[in-house]
Amino acid sequence: NAGVTQTPKFQVLKTGQSMTLQCAQDMNHEYMSWYRQDPGMGLRLIHYSVGAGITDQGEVPNGYNVSRSTTEDFPLRLLSAAPSQTSVYFCASTEQGALSGNTIYFGEGSWLTVV
Amino acid sequence: GQNIDQPTEMTATEGAIVQINCTYQTSGFNGLFWYQQHAGEAPTFLSYNVLDGLEEKGRFSSFLSRSKGYSYLLLKELQMKDSASYLCAAPPRGFQKLVFGTGTRLLVSP
Repeated sequence: NAGVTQTPKFQVLKTGQSMTLQCAQDMNHEYMSWYRQDPGMGLRLIHYSVGAGITDQGEVPNGYNVSRSTTEDFPLRLLSAAPSQTSVYFCASTEQGALSGNTIYFGEGSWLTVV
Repeated sequence: GQNIDQPTEMTATEGAIVQINCTYQTSGFNGLFWYQQHAGEAPTFLSYNVLDGLEEKGRFSSFLSRSKGYSYLLLKELQMKDSASYLCAAPPRGFQKLVFGTGTRLLVSP
């Protein structure tokens, strides 16, 4: 009964370090996405993927990379961490994408602090 | 742009009814979602409206008017556990991604 699993839950980084947030889902969903959530800004889409091998940019993609080599995994890479990337990150997946009205399942969130 | 607007914060009393409004650009979106998010947790699905009208699901109902670009979430018989943020979200027409409003923080007091 795993659903969407993302790790780590908490991470502190120094400015300039790189790291990868892992996300995996076991529901065979085609659509996966990464959001960040900041106070007063709501959830903002970073990158999304409509299937293995296909990714696209969301609203705030700068400073982040993604890849989708398998249906299950959708890691988010911070190339050179900056304090502005301090945020809560949510990975999400859905069966057929937002247009179908399918429920989106979120991971538990990753709290990232860049000092 | 793709704008979704909702009030920042609302307060209500246990047992009361509260309506949380959400407005969006009429030319942009197909249907509208509502999500609930407790502090420190992930959002969870509440409802999805693609046709005009009211959809009831227990204590929660959601309404959509596509011509007016307007939706609301109605919470009845409020309980303390309903204190949370309520997010409305919609997919821009032709896109498989979801755009979220900033969320409405609801505080339920005894």
